[in-house]
Amino acid sequence: EPEVTQTPSHQVTQMGQEVILRCVPISNHLYFYWYRQILGQKVEFLVSFYNNEISEKSEIFDDQFSVERPDGSNFTLKIRSTKLEDSAMYFCARSVGTDTQYFGPGTRLTVL
Amino acid sequence: DQQVKQNSPSLSVQEGRISILNCDYTNSMFDYFLWYKKYPAEGPTFLISISSIKDKNEDGRFTVFLNKSAKHLSLHIVPSQPGDSAVYFCAASLFGNEKLTFGTGTRLTIIP
Repeated sequence: EPEVTQTPSHQVTQMGQEVILRCVPISNHLYFYWYRQILGQKVEFLVSFYNNEISEKSEIFDDQFSVERPDGSNFTLKIRSTKLEDSAMYFCARSVGTDTQYFGPGTRLTVL
Repeated sequence: DQQVKQNSPSLSVQEGRISILNCDYTNSMFDYFLWYKKYPAEGPTFLISISSIKDKNEDGRFTVFLNKSAKHLSLHIVPSQPGDSAVYFCAASLFGNEKLTFGTGTRLTIIP
C-alpha cells in the first residue's frame, strides 16, 4: 500500500505559537486521521475526518486543535497556541473504508 | 484508558525461533483488531488484522490468534528474522467506528 507523506518531518516552535502539520494522502482515500504519540507513551487517537467533516474526535482534541482539507489534497492539523505538552510525534493515517488504517512517517513536534 | 494492554514491554527471541506477542483488551465491543510494527522515527506499519468473527488469520510468517472469551489476541512470527526487531503495537476498533485504540507496545529484539 502506498503511504501518505507528512511535512515537515520535524518542527520546532516556541510555546504559544501556531503550527500547521501537513499530510498528503492518495486522492481516492475517504477517511483521514490524526494520531499522536508522546515520547514513551502509546499512540493516541486525535480526530477522524470523512467527507470534509470531522466524524469523531477525542477529548484531547480541544479548541486549540483544528483540521481541514482546504484544497482537496493536503490534510492539515493546526495547533493554535502550542503548549509544552503538545511535544510529540504526530501521525496522519488514511483508509479507504473504516477498516485498516495506514500511517504516514510522522512529524516530530518540539515545543520549547 | 487501559482498554488495550500489552503487558510485556520487551521480548528477546533467537533468530529462527517463534516470537509470540500478546495483547489483552477489556472492551468486549471491540470487533476488529490489528497489529502494527514500528521502527524508531517512522510511522506504524500495518502487519495483519483480524475481525471478531474469526479466531485466526495468517499472512506469510505472521499469524494472529483471537480468543474472544479471554479477550486476548496474540501475534506469532515464525521464523523470526533480525529485520523483525521493532516495537509491535496491537490496536482495536469498534465496528463502523474509525478510532483505533492502541496498546503500549512490545519491543521485540531478534538475537542473531
